[in-house]
Amino acid sequence: DAGVIQSPRHEVTEMGQEVTLRCKPISGHNSLFWYRQTMMRGLELLIYFNNNVPIDDSGMPEDRFSAKMPNASFSTLKIQPSEPRDSAVYFCASSLALAEGTDTQYFGPGTRLTVL
Amino acid sequence: AQKITQTQPGMFVQEKEAVTLDCTYDTSDPSYGLFWYKQPSSGEMIFLIYQGSYDQQNATEGRYSLNFQKARKSANLVISASQLGDSAMYFCAMKTGANNLFFGTGTRLTVIP
Repeated sequence: DAGVIQSPRHEVTEMGQEVTLRCKPISGHNSLFWYRQTMMRGLELLIYFNNNVPIDDSGMPEDRFSAKMPNASFSTLKIQPSEPRDSAVYFCASSLALAEGTDTQYFGPGTRLTVL
Repeated sequence: AQKITQTQPGMFVQEKEAVTLDCTYDTSDPSYGLFWYKQPSSGEMIFLIYQGSYDQQNATEGRYSLNFQKARKSANLVISASQLGDSAMYFCAMKTGANNLFFGTGTRLTVIP
């Protein structure tokens, strides 16, 4: 079975440009998460969706960041305009959220974003 | 508030030996899950093992086992018979009532031939 798919794997852009990161969760999973990993802050949750609905976006840094999940098999994280401090690895993860259960999150390979 | 602490920034182990990576946690929620992930130099996050707060037995997955001591709020990862491919960053994480994971700062394990 395919795991979580993210694209692009690497993105280099200039400050001020719009960046769109894409994620396809594992088929059948009903929760999707966007994380950011930096040396300074480690792994931090940006936003998560349950059944395509955003549940908690308190980790989204500011209005420049937005995320959508138009259907169960696709999500985007957009940064507009991008800034050098947005440089990080962005992970998408998905899980099958049950009332009781392990609820293990499976991560995609990540997108390494560099904003010049 | 939830908190995960990994006090070992780096660890070294001889190939074929066992190693324990420490993790302590803090939560007031009686129901929680503890996870370990491996992040090799290639960057992906690989799920290793899970322990539920109500599980009576320590979790095991192949060469990985989780030494769960609830009273001490610790969930140490034990890797037996270390292999060179085990060299990576290891993250401990916790999930409580909310759906998201809280991660520790990680431990970098280096396996020496």
